[in-house]
Amino acid sequence: GAGVSQSPSNKVTEKGKDVELRCDPISGHTALYWYRQRLGQGLEFLIYFQGNSAPDKSGLPSDRFSAERTGESVSTLTIQRTQQEDSAVYLCASSSGQGIHNGYGYTFGSGTRLTVV
Amino acid sequence: RKEVEQDPGPFNVPEGATVAFNCTYSNSASQSFFWYRQDCRKEPKLLMSVYSSGNEDGRFTAQLNRASQYISLLIRDSKLSDSATYLCAVAVAGNNRKLIWGLGTSLAVNP
Repeated sequence: GAGVSQSPSNKVTEKGKDVELRCDPISGHTALYWYRQRLGQGLEFLIYFQGNSAPDKSGLPSDRFSAERTGESVSTLTIQRTQQEDSAVYLCASSSGQGIHNGYGYTFGSGTRLTVV
Repeated sequence: RKEVEQDPGPFNVPEGATVAFNCTYSNSASQSFFWYRQDCRKEPKLLMSVYSSGNEDGRFTAQLNRASQYISLLIRDSKLSDSATYLCAVAVAGNNRKLIWGLGTSLAVNP
């Protein structure tokens, strides 16, 4: 597609429920990133996929968080047993293989606003 | 010390003013540098990459100072629409293709 697509755009869930967030990167972008941004805060790195390499999961805050990506396509971020502190905007970004070293940086999706009540 | 640091501001300036932000980075192996703009409740959008020789895009000028390990963004003739948070991002040379982000500098341009 023309841009990074994320769904749903908004999600309200009850504490303790599982949620699944979806990211569809720009076609041909081999790298995909998930970030979390709490209200008024900076970007918090969660996980990074690069092609078929093992993902960099170093930012996942707990074992309730997991993400998958098949090949160079769609990724899903799953949060199990949601807590109120999980409320945030979850942003997905993608880049071409050398994009960040060729001046192109990342392209972000518009995010999923998650509210845990 | 954080890997990428920015003055959070807020910077409050009148329309037409010139304003500059700096962003310092700690890793001397940093190779690629970016300025992003983030409007309230929106995703970050690439404003400009920062090249070694410096680069200009209209009213915006970006500079890199490798010796002192910082990048700067200069905005001339500020417009109300420039009000946003400006994020800097840095990538280290090598196979790691992950950007390291500053927390952002908030700019408010007032009429």
